[in-house]
Amino acid sequence: EVQLVESGGGLVQPGGSLRLSCAASGFTFDDYAMHWVRQAPGKGLEWVSGISWKTGNTAYAGSVKGRFTISRDNAKNSLYLQMNSLRAEDTALYYCAKDICSYTGCDFFDYWGQGTLVTVSS
Amino acid sequence: EIVLTQSPGTLSLSPGESATLSCRASQSVTSRYLAWYQQKPGQAPRLLMYVASNRASGIPDRFSGSGSGTDFTLTISRLEPEDFAVYYCQQYSSSPWTFGQGTKVEIK
Repeated sequence: EVQLVESGGGLVQPGGSLRLSCAASGFTFDDYAMHWVRQAPGKGLEWVSGISWKTGNTAYAGSVKGRFTISRDNAKNSLYLQMNSLRAEDTALYYCAKDICSYTGCDFFDYWGQGTLVTVSS
Repeated sequence: EIVLTQSPGTLSLSPGESATLSCRASQSVTSRYLAWYQQKPGQAPRLLMYVASNRASGIPDRFSGSGSGTDFTLTISRLEPEDFAVYYCQQYSSSPWTFGQGTKVEIK
């Protein structure tokens, strides 16, 4: 059974940093691209970032480019999101999501975690 | 960036009725690279459809998708009580991957 478990969320002041983690199990982690998708309270979904299966190629939404860094540790079956220079508008539930396609990736998502809440407030 | 606009914002229907949800793109979604997700309160989204009209694993056949170019539709025939939820479209033809703002299907 595929499981994605996020952690690392919390309350942080504007300008602060936070590192999110996603522990994956139930599939061959290093065969799949992985993504972060967020959802502000009461709002819709926003793709944040993605990372390829092995080469580590990354992509970001314009709203987080230069502030967030996605990474993965295939030996630990883990995905990360380093978030710097946080703003109030980054407040959201952050989901870890698995790409449906192995290797090349398809950039849509068949499994999601339950999310970790990030609140940016003074 | 491709902007997806979903309509209507809310659909009020009774169980057994059919629902038609629209997703319009600001520019052509190549290869029909459009997915649909269902999200219930307090839950993560669930993949329903991909490449506009292919049902994901385990999705009942009362869900169907259609469309190409800039106009896409998700149809739910014979609404079941568990179908009342928010539905999102997502394009994956052009980075950054974007979602529509959602359509809520509520019980009338």
